[in-house]
Amino acid sequence: DSGVTQTPKHLITATGQRVTLRCSPRSGDLSVYWYQQSLDQGLQFLIQYYNGEERAKGNILERFSAQQFPDLHSELNLSSLELGDSALYFCASSPGGGNEQFFGPGTRLTVL
Amino acid sequence: EDQVTQSPEALRLQEGESSSLNCSYTVSGLRGLFWYRQDPGKGPEFLFTLYSAGEEKEKERLKATLTKKESFLHITAPKPEDSATYLCAVQADSNYQLIWGAGTKLIIKP
Repeated sequence: DSGVTQTPKHLITATGQRVTLRCSPRSGDLSVYWYQQSLDQGLQFLIQYYNGEERAKGNILERFSAQQFPDLHSELNLSSLELGDSALYFCASSPGGGNEQFFGPGTRLTVL
Repeated sequence: EDQVTQSPEALRLQEGESSSLNCSYTVSGLRGLFWYRQDPGKGPEFLFTLYSAGEEKEKERLKATLTKKESFLHITAPKPEDSATYLCAVQADSNYQLIWGAGTKLIIKP
């Protein structure tokens, strides 16, 4: 158990809908990262927040957005969902920006 | 361009047959190299961080080593429970974003 929690574990929704994924980092960690992993694909970095502020952006679509709240939990919002958005979404956390990242168990999103 | 390449893509071994996985990288300046293990449908599990050439880290049957251009993950006398995908990632001096390799899928047959 890494100490990072993600909810929900599974999410099934329809195309065009909007969903919110939630992540709570390890106690004391200030950085939160979001990743997408499609079937048999590698990890795709989406976005990083550090202490409430956006620190780095990767291959994140305009339909996706994220935020980190004062209590350091983070939410990833996915809108106008398409079939191709079906994937595992992982959250990771680290103490700062230059340390090893610890991953949560992931949210499996299925778009029908 | 910063890049990480892992080889082989897949490796099948008999239980007890030692081998090595490779992670070669090209970055402007290395801040750190990370090894993770990922089981199907689960989040990657942190294994090691290496910071400078010549450094070695060990954990049970795994040993990670680092040179200026690549890292090896040596697995000694593996067991079926070592079967997983092993991921390598590097962090460059220029930013905090990790650059990930595609992984090596390791299968240990009993």
